[in-house]
Amino acid sequence: SQTIHQWPATLVQPVGSPLSLECTVEGTSNPNLYWYRQAAGRGLQLLFYSVGIGQISSEVPQNLSASRPQDRQFILSSKKLLLSDSGFYLCAWTRGRIYNEQFFGPGTRLTVL
Amino acid sequence: DAKTTQPTSMDCAEGRAANLPCNHSTISGNEYVYWYRQIHSQGPQYIIHGLKNNETNEMASLIITEDRKSSTLILPHATLRDTAVYYCIVFTGSGNTGKLIFGQGTTLQVKP
Repeated sequence: SQTIHQWPATLVQPVGSPLSLECTVEGTSNPNLYWYRQAAGRGLQLLFYSVGIGQISSEVPQNLSASRPQDRQFILSSKKLLLSDSGFYLCAWTRGRIYNEQFFGPGTRLTVL
Repeated sequence: DAKTTQPTSMDCAEGRAANLPCNHSTISGNEYVYWYRQIHSQGPQYIIHGLKNNETNEMASLIITEDRKSSTLILPHATLRDTAVYYCIVFTGSGNTGKLIFGQGTTLQVKP
């Protein structure tokens, strides 16, 4: 069976510090991978998606970047965090267009102070 | 991209059917309607999806109008654990991207 992991579960970081959130998927190969952010009381915003190793598409201009160094690993990064980067970050995977049920990870709650 | 419109919030009595409407008047012929829900502080959970025909699974039923401009998600016997934000989404994207665009959703409160 397939599972998706995210870590850390919670994170408190000062403004201006770097960020690295990791997402890994087990039990499948060549998944599409997604990063979403949910600010407090808001809906989910798609940040990045990837259809393969090294292939990253950005949905919104922002202070964050994403990388996919391995088939089942997706990393969200920032060089300098802003207060507005606080939120609930969710990673998701899907098998592609035909099977569009997206499976979400447990999320990382980031607070920037 | 087809956009969806949902009521901001709804209440439902425990044990009764919850009917959540969604308008998607600009949907195109090959776009699917997906429903997800998000329980507080968790990642969204897939519920059901459909194209033209009504669909049913162990969680819910999806009724799509003949003109496909609207749909209704039905939870046949709502429980307190069904309290969540429900998102109606029209599949957006081409090729192999699978992008799902989440709106604000409907907050369903199931009351005892």
